Amino acid sequence: DTGVSQNPRHKITKRGQNVTFRCDPISEHNRLYWYRQTLGQGPEFLTYFQNEAQLEKSRLLSDRFSAERPKGSFSTLEIQRTEQGDSAMYLCASNHRGGTDTQYFGPGTRLTVL
Amino acid sequence: KQEVTQIPAALSVPEGENLVLNCSFTDSAIYNLQWFRQDPGKGLTSLLLIQSSQREQTSGRLNASLDKSSGRSTLYIAASQPGDSATYLCAVGGTYKYIFGTGTRLKVLA
Repeated sequence: DTGVSQNPRHKITKRGQNVTFRCDPISEHNRLYWYRQTLGQGPEFLTYFQNEAQLEKSRLLSDRFSAERPKGSFSTLEIQRTEQGDSAMYLCASNHRGGTDTQYFGPGTRLTVL
Repeated sequence: KQEVTQIPAALSVPEGENLVLNCSFTDSAIYNLQWFRQDPGKGLTSLLLIQSSQREQTSGRLNASLDKSSGRSTLYIAASQPGDSATYLCAVGGTYKYIFGTGTRLKVLA
């Protein structure tokens, strides 16, 4: 078990392009979370999954954003028609319901939209 | 709506000093509170988790306290070292998501 992993670590794209990020949680964890962090701010909650079910989505998650966790293991976060305001660090975390509730964070994907 | 505030926003201290970072929150109906460390451009590393029924947690040179009634938590760092330089984030937990403060940027000078 090597912890939560995220790919890619960095993504530079032009405005209007679509991007997709991947998160692989710790293997036995059934909860997975996405957060977004802009410079100088704390992370903000975007959405979370319990197994394959997406149980809550923040109002920050506009209709250009979609997240999936098809088999209850890894998750993807897609942003369509990227805007400069989407530039941020996208963080993934996982934990196990009924465990210590500590959320274990991945290294993040830094998105830059030109 | 839960709001989390961290004071100070930045702190610079000489090596060896003991220091206190503060976190306040507006809604005392919390599930837990967690302190994280974040190095520049990196993800978050969990430092201490305090459940709502607990008053404090300790790990090495770190001690975190929680006073739900006053909506406050403190992170105490003893004998600070240059390697402690990072941003420290406080996160208040509900049943699943965390609400984060904006962090305290700590620099420990050698």
